[in-house]
Amino acid sequence: DTEVTQTPKHLVMGMTNKKSLKCEQHMGHRAMYWYKQKAKKPPELMFVYSYEKLSINESVPSRFSPECPNSSLLNLHLHALQPEDSALYLCASSQEGQGGSTNEKLFFGSGTQLSVL
Amino acid sequence: EDKVVQSPLSLVVHEGDTVTLNCSYEVTNFRSLLWYKQEKKAPTFLFMLTSSGIEKKSGRLSSILDKKELSSILNITATQTGDSAIYLCAVGLIQGAQKLVFGQGTRLTINP
Repeated sequence: DTEVTQTPKHLVMGMTNKKSLKCEQHMGHRAMYWYKQKAKKPPELMFVYSYEKLSINESVPSRFSPECPNSSLLNLHLHALQPEDSALYLCASSQEGQGGSTNEKLFFGSGTQLSVL
Repeated sequence: EDKVVQSPLSLVVHEGDTVTLNCSYEVTNFRSLLWYKQEKKAPTFLFMLTSSGIEKKSGRLSSILDKKELSSILNITATQTGDSAIYLCAVGLIQGAQKLVFGQGTRLTINP
């Protein structure tokens, strides 16, 4: 199983809603990532969890709150988002955590297309 | 500021043509260069290059890194419509290898 599974595939939410994005991998990978991708732009790193601990937070606004309940699961909790937060949210995993020799090789999920109204 | 630049940004060719995509970088503490293919949504890994001058091949795709010129090329021979995608180049750094610096991508369209 070489898949990273993301749910939901599409999400429409209002600015006062609270929702969560979910990501799951069963490859035994020890690092998991959230990326944000706007149309016609490259992915931008948001968060990295390495061995289930938050290792990188790219100064993301607090309305985005990541959570890593265990080594296979990664959530992104959303609250009071703005219309400019509309984007494709990609989850990824890599085999090793921080300091590993192969952690640039990322396995991406298909993303959640988020629209904030 | 670390930077990765890809060219061309967009390319349209006919099926059967050979294409060359370019990636150049200006980063501190280079560790690796990676190519990803993004069709629809999920980027998929193609190559990871760390040593200069060693070509990596996978079927009709090949890539090589030139550390002296701070660049890499991705070649696709005998292109097929299924090669239509955005090709992303990314650089991994020695400090913080988990943080990739992505280029803007090259949108490749293969017409039948």
